[in-house]
Amino acid sequence: AQSVTQLGSHVSVSEGALVLLRCNYSSSVPPYLFWYVQYPNQGLQLLLKYTSAATLVKGINGFEAEFKKSETSFHLTKPSAHMSDAAEYFCAVSDDGNKLVFGAGTILRVKS
Amino acid sequence: DAGVIQSPRHEVTEMGQEVTLRCKPISGHNSLFWYRQTMMRGLELLIYFNNNVPIDDSGMPEDRFSAKMPNASFSTLKIQPSEPRDSAVYFCASSPRRGQAGELFFGEGSRLTVL
Repeated sequence: AQSVTQLGSHVSVSEGALVLLRCNYSSSVPPYLFWYVQYPNQGLQLLLKYTSAATLVKGINGFEAEFKKSETSFHLTKPSAHMSDAAEYFCAVSDDGNKLVFGAGTILRVKS
Repeated sequence: DAGVIQSPRHEVTEMGQEVTLRCKPISGHNSLFWYRQTMMRGLELLIYFNNNVPIDDSGMPEDRFSAKMPNASFSTLKIQPSEPRDSAVYFCASSPRRGQAGELFFGEGSRLTVL
């Protein structure tokens, strides 16, 4: 069965600092991996996805994630946090691209 | 282009009442998903349709829940009778055809409170 573990339910960074949100997955087959972002009172939006084409995936708003098979990880990073990045971030895994299993989410706080 | 449209945005009802949530997917998308989000359980997939046909409803919690997709532009999620533990935000999402696997476009959700 697929599963996702997001380490840290809350992460706080200063504006301009590196953002690192951690995600580890479990899947019996080569997975599809995703990061979604949710702003307050809104639905989720796709940030980026990994589908085996390249291990380093670039997404919107300056975010990127690296697929590391040996570590079963797909951590999300951004070199410099902006106030507008404050939101909840969800990592998700799928073995067929249809049924996505989401992690519990990480709330990112950006301090000025 | 309009996104996924859900209604109502907020619903407050009493235990035992029937609740119907509605969703209009993005035109041209052929997959539709219903998710439920709660603090305790996070995001759970309830059911998904492909070309209006239910493919996997294993996430539907019990017989009180039912979902239909009578055509490509409309879906409903019904709870009858509703219970306080059904209180959650219900999201509808649609996805384009194959080749864009996992690219879900979410609506803004329907926040359900069952008293």
